[in-house]
Amino acid sequence: GAGVSQTPSNKVTEKGKYVELRCDPISGHTALYWYRQSLGQGPEFLIYFQGTGAADDSGLPNDRFFAVRPEGSVSTLKIQRTERGDSAMYLCASSLDTGFYNEQFFGPGTRLTVL
Amino acid sequence: DAKTTQPPSMDCAEGRAANLPCNHSTISGNEYVYWYRQIHSQGPQYIIHGLKNNETNEMASLIITEDRKSSTLILPHATLRDTAVYYCIAPGTGNQFYFGTGTSLTVIP
Repeated sequence: GAGVSQTPSNKVTEKGKYVELRCDPISGHTALYWYRQSLGQGPEFLIYFQGTGAADDSGLPNDRFFAVRPEGSVSTLKIQRTERGDSAMYLCASSLDTGFYNEQFFGPGTRLTVL
Repeated sequence: DAKTTQPPSMDCAEGRAANLPCNHSTISGNEYVYWYRQIHSQGPQYIIHGLKNNETNEMASLIITEDRKSSTLILPHATLRDTAVYYCIAPGTGNQFYFGTGTSLTVIP
């Protein structure tokens, strides 16, 4: 497929556990974004990668959240010691990031439930 | 970074035009305005974008005021499948999107 894919589509875990969420961006897209969406709210920015480096991680809520993109393509969002408040839809987007114009293409999301 | 303001909800009769307003009074001269929509439990879907001129594509039209402080998304003939949350977005300097809570559009048969 040509779109952004995210795996798994659903993840149920227990409080205190570690989880990894994966994002496969559109081939050739240098920019990659993670957002978190709680019920009834719009998506909230977490982190933005330009290539392999995190250009802006100001949206990460605390140090339990970490993301990597080692080869400038696939990205993994990692959450340590999960809490019930981490339950949300996690969305990934990618773009060509050509400057001022920056259409972002979103994946279907991973719904995380922490019991 | 520009932020946007939208009405929380709107209704529209099927087949009629849906006009969704957005205020972005702090937008800077080089920031695009993007519109996305989100159907329940799906990822946001791109609709249209604009900078200064009005724009039209197969999905919608975008009318931007001359001072760029507000815009209106127009769905010319709304269908039941257009029921969704519509987000007007002006990105920040770090390229992240600020979504806000959007406008929940309900198309009524």
